[in-house]
Amino acid sequence: KAGVTQTPRYLIKTRGQQVTLSCSPISGHRSVSWYQQTPGQGLQFLFEYFSETQRNKGNFPGRFSGRQFSNSRSEMNVSTLELGDSALYLCASSSGQGGSEKLFFGSGTQLSVL
Amino acid sequence: SQQGEEDPQALSIQEGENATMNCSYKTSINNLQWYRQNSGRGLVHLILIRSNEREKHSGRLRVTLDTSKKSSSLLITASRAADTASYFCATDPSGTYKYIFGTGTRLKVLA
Repeated sequence: KAGVTQTPRYLIKTRGQQVTLSCSPISGHRSVSWYQQTPGQGLQFLFEYFSETQRNKGNFPGRFSGRQFSNSRSEMNVSTLELGDSALYLCASSSGQGGSEKLFFGSGTQLSVL
Repeated sequence: SQQGEEDPQALSIQEGENATMNCSYKTSINNLQWYRQNSGRGLVHLILIRSNEREKHSGRLRVTLDTSKKSSSLLITASRAADTASYFCATDPSGTYKYIFGTGTRLKVLA
């Protein structure tokens, strides 16, 4: 089974621009979660999608949004980029059925905002 | 603030020694998991312990969970240079469909 695929691997943007990151989950997984990782804040939960519905979201401004498609692939978008948005963005997939299940992570997208 | 806090923040040991890292959390949970991350890559699941379990083993890993103290520990026995990584605990506050990660422990195993 192929793992979780995130594209692109690296991205360089300038302040004010917008960016879209993509995540393809493991086949059969219907839940996709997104996390932002920075040296100072660690891993921060952004949002979780299951069957195209957002079930939970973290404490991020409205500039951060996401969506999930019928094939479970997910995208997250950050508009009006700020320097502080520079981070490693990780997505993780799981079956999403609840209970005790583990997350499978992609390698992440390293976003640099200049 | 993050649910999980881990200590120590960094740990340096010799190959063959044991490494212990601790995690504390704040609310009731369904389970607690430990993940490893190498050099800013994706996280890899190591072990999951349910809230009604007290101890679990997997190879060289031993995890304990004390729900009364809201804490967990991960023990890596007979460490190897390849164990050098950051280790994170993750908890799922009941019914929230999200995992909260700790601040992580950076482990360095010296050959």
